Amino acid sequence: SYELTQPPSVSVSPGQTARITCSGDALPKQYAYWYQQKPGQAPVMMIYKDSERPSGIPERFSGSSSGTAVTLTISGVQAEDEADYYCQSADSSGTSVVFGGGTKLTVL
Amino acid sequence: EVQLVESGGGLVQPGGSLRLSCAASGSTFSNYWMTWVRQAPGKGLEWLANIKQDGSEKYYVDSVKGRFTISRDNAKNSMYLQMNSLRADDTAMYYCAGGEYASGNFDHWGQGILVTVSS
Repeated sequence: SYELTQPPSVSVSPGQTARITCSGDALPKQYAYWYQQKPGQAPVMMIYKDSERPSGIPERFSGSSSGTAVTLTISGVQAEDEADYYCQSADSSGTSVVFGGGTKLTVL
Repeated sequence: EVQLVESGGGLVQPGGSLRLSCAASGSTFSNYWMTWVRQAPGKGLEWLANIKQDGSEKYYVDSVKGRFTISRDNAKNSMYLQMNSLRADDTAMYYCAGGEYASGNFDHWGQGILVTVSS
């Protein structure tokens, strides 16, 4: 079955830039989405279609794509950004949705 | 903007069945692909199934094929997940979500409902 691979954890100091990568063979063909999840809460979509930002999401969140990898970048990380981040995409047929394993962002 | 509320969760014995509901309000439910996602305690998100706006297409993750059935009733602004032959590893928080595509863009989520499978 198709898989998306993310690092389990990323740590940054406040004000620094955090980058979370996600790799998968079908990413050149399928859009990627990024979700933020804080403890006890439902996920929130932060980036859609690789690099688009929904209304209400701070500008410090951005997404990019290159080949079989996508990256979520958080510029000027704030304490409130500490959360789990999940990439999501689909297999090459577009009918089987998959989430990455999640990355815990720790703000030091 | 659509609001989603799950119901129907609870404690069930192994081998039992449960039907989850997802009620939508505030926007045109029939515009959205609808999806079920679950999260086992301390684990990541797992996509389970999705259903097209008119119910004509349904897709499932392999681990629930033949046990779980997704459906929707646009007249009632509701989506359902019938879960049969439940196992301990089905214990999780279950979320319904809606979006523009089958393959993602889940920009609306419910708060989740807990399902516990235990004797």
